[in-house]
Amino acid sequence: GAVVSQHPSRVICKSGTSVKIECRSLDFQATTMFWYRQFPKQSLMLMATSNEGSKATYEQGVEKDKFLINHASLTLSTLTVTSAHPEDSSFYICSARPGRRGQETQYFGPGTRLLVL
Amino acid sequence: KQEVTQIPAALSVPEGENLVLNCSFTDSAIYNLQWFRQDPGKGLTSLLLIQSSQREQTSGRLNASLDKSSGRSTLYIAASQPGDSATYLCAVRRGSGNTGKLIFGQGTTLQVKP
Repeated sequence: GAVVSQHPSRVICKSGTSVKIECRSLDFQATTMFWYRQFPKQSLMLMATSNEGSKATYEQGVEKDKFLINHASLTLSTLTVTSAHPEDSSFYICSARPGRRGQETQYFGPGTRLLVL
Repeated sequence: KQEVTQIPAALSVPEGENLVLNCSFTDSAIYNLQWFRQDPGKGLTSLLLIQSSQREQTSGRLNASLDKSSGRSTLYIAASQPGDSATYLCAVRRGSGNTGKLIFGQGTTLQVKP
């Protein structure tokens, strides 16, 4: 089956620093990638949708200057949390969707746990 | 605005029991509905995907149904096992292509006791 990886799986950083999270589709090309955030005991909230070679579309309330998304290739998207603060501590999950017609399933990465001290 | 609700929030059953998880959505104009499983601290695993034109999908001991007009879906788990313990999330997708965002429910946390 389709595999999506994320790196790192866990990161601890000091307040004010920036953190980059990578999301890769390992065995398929993903024309669309999604970034979600999940707080403890809550569901996934979509942050942004990105298409390869285009600017990301951010959901309402998500600061695009704080959460920088780059979808540079059909297999890689990155999320950079700039000037991270403790309230940014969360579980970040990426998802990728193949671009082929009929391939509607979204495949999810294992998530990245971010803790900002 | 599409809202997805899952009931119950938590469920504990003895091993071997058949069980039903419920998902409801407010806007029936969906493209498809997907059920996922999430283990603690992990990502999501897709279990079943039902297109809007379909009524149900089956995979092993899992059966998902969809009643689009009433805005409901159920996930039926037969002969539950301790390994089924996880959080189950349903998500609906409104459109295809770039507009097709998944909207998630809060999930049902299932515990199957040996």
